[in-house]
Amino acid sequence: NAGVMQNPRHLVRRRGQEARLRCSPMKGHSHVYWYRQLPEEGLKFMVYLQKENIIDESGMPKERFSAEFPKEGPSILRIQQVVRGDSAAYFCASSLTEGQNTGELFFGEGSRLTVL
Amino acid sequence: QKEVEQDPGPLSVPEGAIVSLNCTYSNSAFQYFMWYRQYSRKGPELLMYTYSSGNKEDGRFTAQVDKSSKYISLFIRDSQPSDSATYLCAMRRNYQLIWGAGTKLIIKP
Repeated sequence: NAGVMQNPRHLVRRRGQEARLRCSPMKGHSHVYWYRQLPEEGLKFMVYLQKENIIDESGMPKERFSAEFPKEGPSILRIQQVVRGDSAAYFCASSLTEGQNTGELFFGEGSRLTVL
Repeated sequence: QKEVEQDPGPLSVPEGAIVSLNCTYSNSAFQYFMWYRQYSRKGPELLMYTYSSGNKEDGRFTAQVDKSSKYISLFIRDSQPSDSATYLCAMRRNYQLIWGAGTKLIIKP
C-alpha cells in the first residue's frame, strides 16, 4: 500500500518561473493538506483540500500561490513567478477523514524547491 | 510570541539515556496534542497524540500533557541511535495544526 507520493523531490527554478508540485494521497484518502517548512522552523499550514474543493486556504499567500485537487489525478500546488523567499520544503499530507482533528496525517517525503 | 514554543536543540545524549522533549503553548483553546518524528530529508510521522491532561504510554514513549501549565512533554526510555531525529510537537486549533519548530535529538552510541 503506497504512501503519500510527492514529485518532484527536488525542483530548481529561476526567479519569475513557475513551480508545480504534485501530491498523490494514500489510497482511499480524500483529504489533502499542504505545508511549507523552512530550515530550523516547524511546518506552516497552507491549504486543506478535499476532492474538487478548497476547504481552507487561510495559510496560503494571497498572490502567486494556488492549489487544486481535481476529481481525477493528484493534488497540485502551483507557485507562479517564484521568488527566492519561496525556497523551502513543501510537504503534502493526506488523511482518511478530517485528520487534523486527531493529527492522523500521513506525510509524503516532501518537495524541495530552490529558487536561484 | 509564537503560539507554540519548542527548543530547537540540538539535544545530544548517550545511548540508553532517558530523553525529555518539551513544548509550551499560549492558546488554552488547543485540544489535541501530537508528537511527530521527522528523519532528515523525510516527512514527519505521527508518534503519539493525546487529548486530555495526564500521561499516555506506547512502548518506550510516554506523552504527557499539563493543560494547567500549558506544557507538553515526550519521554523516550532506553534511547537508541535510531531515535536520532527531529521531534515536532503539534496542537490542534479549530481544524488546523499549529507546529513547534522541532527539537533535533542526537543519540550517541
